[in-house]
Amino acid sequence: DSGVTQTPKHLITATGQRVTLRCSPRSGDLSVYWYQQSLDQGLQFLIQYYNGEERAKGNILERFSAQQFPDLHSELNLSSLELGDSALYFCASSLSGTNTGELFFGEGSRLTVL
Amino acid sequence: AQKITQTQPGMFVQEKEAVTLDCTYDTSDPSYGLFWYKQPSSGEMIFLIYQGSYDQQNATEGRYSLNFQKARKSANLVISASQLGDSAMYFCGGGANSKLTFGKGITLSVRP
Repeated sequence: DSGVTQTPKHLITATGQRVTLRCSPRSGDLSVYWYQQSLDQGLQFLIQYYNGEERAKGNILERFSAQQFPDLHSELNLSSLELGDSALYFCASSLSGTNTGELFFGEGSRLTVL
Repeated sequence: AQKITQTQPGMFVQEKEAVTLDCTYDTSDPSYGLFWYKQPSSGEMIFLIYQGSYDQQNATEGRYSLNFQKARKSANLVISASQLGDSAMYFCGGGANSKLTFGKGITLSVRP
């Protein structure tokens, strides 16, 4: 158990809809990262927050947004969903920023868009 | 920004033998790190090993070692004495300034 909690574990929705994925980082960790894993794209970095502030941005679509709240939990909002958004979305956390690559990953939220 | 490349097709290895998983990278950052994760079929991401770009020695963690060749921009993972439980997807990654990038991964299957 990494200590990172993601909800929901599975989500099925229709194209055009909007969903929110939630992440609670490991106790004491200030940084939260979001990744998207799909079969053809591998593990894509979306965005990182540190103590409530956006720190780094990756290949995140404009239809997607995220935030980190004062209690350090984070939410990833996906809107106007398309079939191609079907993927496993991981949240990970670390104490601060990390250059050692050691992140603590949640179990992921599997999104299926029909 | 870093670019991580894993191009091997799925790999097979006999139990108890060693296997090398290839990874090349490209970066303009003067200081960076390279690492590997394992993702078993259950889906969780498990951190395996890390190598800093200025580290003189190749990193080793138990049966895992990272063969870092800076001039060739490669960071291959060597797993010694393969076990059935090593069957998984393996991701190479790199990071600088807290931004971590992963390769597309490679599937390793260990045969009994």
